[in-house]
Amino acid sequence: SQTIHQWPATLVQPVGSPLSLECTVEGTSNPNLYWYRQAAGRGLQLLFYSVGIGQISSEVPQNLSASRPQDRQFILSSKKLLLSDSGFYLCAWSGGRGGISNQPQHFGDGTRLSIL
Amino acid sequence: AQKITQTQPGMFVQEKEAVTLDCTYDTSDPSYGLFWYKQPSSGEMIFLIYQGSYDQQNATEGRYSLNFQKARKSANLVISASQLGDSAMYFCAMRAASTDSWGKLQFGAGTQVVVTP
Repeated sequence: SQTIHQWPATLVQPVGSPLSLECTVEGTSNPNLYWYRQAAGRGLQLLFYSVGIGQISSEVPQNLSASRPQDRQFILSSKKLLLSDSGFYLCAWSGGRGGISNQPQHFGDGTRLSIL
Repeated sequence: AQKITQTQPGMFVQEKEAVTLDCTYDTSDPSYGLFWYKQPSSGEMIFLIYQGSYDQQNATEGRYSLNFQKARKSANLVISASQLGDSAMYFCAMRAASTDSWGKLQFGAGTQVVVTP
């Protein structure tokens, strides 16, 4: 069966420090991968998605970047964190290509990022 | 552009009662899919149920059912026989063919459900 792992679960970082959050998927190949951010008590905002190795699409201009160095690995990074980068970050994967797919996105357990 | 609206920020429901969570959507695409997710306080997002725009019948998954009214562009989630473990935030999401061929979802703001004994 497919599983998604995301770490760390919690992270406290000072303003101006770098960031690297990692997400890996097991049990499937060539997944679509997604990074979301969720502010406290709010909905999910899609940050990046990837349909293949090295292919990254950004949904919102911001202080963050994403990379996909391997088929089932998705990394969220920042060179210098801002206070506004605080939030709950979720990685997700889905299968399916083209048209409307009934396949849901499956989420990792998330990372709670606090910027001090 | 696609839009998902959940007008109920929070709801209380008594254990064993049914609860309906509202979701309306806006899209010009004839082909789309609607999803409901549950997010407990621990934070993980749990997929509950899916409804396709061309599905003839309302989707059901155990205690979850979807009241899909295509003409009104609504896809309300019904949870029957509520349990204390159903206390969570619930999100409605949509995927439309023209802009989301790669599986992107548009999420609503969510509804917080609290089940009381």
